[in-house]
Amino acid sequence: EDQLVQSGGDVAHPGGSLRLSCAGSGFTFSSSRLHWVRQAPGKGLEWLSAIGPTGTTYYTDSVKGRFTISRDNAKSSFYLQMNNLTVEDVAVYYCAKRSGGFDLWGQGTMVTVSS
Amino acid sequence: EIVLTQSPGTLSLSPGERATLSCRASQSISSAYLAWYQHKPGQAPRLLIFGASSRATGIPDRFSGSGSGTDFTLTISRLEPEDFAVYYCQYYIASPFTFGPGTNLEIK
Repeated sequence: EDQLVQSGGDVAHPGGSLRLSCAGSGFTFSSSRLHWVRQAPGKGLEWLSAIGPTGTTYYTDSVKGRFTISRDNAKSSFYLQMNNLTVEDVAVYYCAKRSGGFDLWGQGTMVTVSS
Repeated sequence: EIVLTQSPGTLSLSPGERATLSCRASQSISSAYLAWYQHKPGQAPRLLIFGASSRATGIPDRFSGSGSGTDFTLTISRLEPEDFAVYYCQYYIASPFTFGPGTNLEIK
């Protein structure tokens, strides 16, 4: 069964950092296009970042320079390093795989930013 | 950058009724990269439709997608109780992989 399993997330102070992880199984991870999406409380889905099979990265403007996406094909995992967090980053974060739409999603993990 | 708008914002219907959800793009887009998702509270989003009209694996045939250019539609032919959720469209050809604001399909 194809799946993405997330870990990380927690509470961070404003200006702090967190690292989210997403482990894939059941599919060819190394050739997959991988994404991070979030949903803030009471809001819709917001695409954040993507990484291609060759490591090319993409970011939405609101996280550019603060968040970094990376992948480790040997571990079938990818990551979102989040720095300089603000209250605007409070959300449920999802990892996802793209193949004709985002066809596989992680279970989601809550990130809280609070002093 | 393509902007997607969805209408209505909220749709109130009863089980058994037909639901028609709209997604409009700010300029003409390739239908090959238009997707629809269902999202329920506490769950991950679920891909319903990709390429504007192709159902994803395991999606019942009461869900159908259509459209081209700037106007796209998700139709649920006969609503089941489990279909009440928020629905998003997305254009996924390239970064930014923007989602529309969503339509909340609620039970009347």
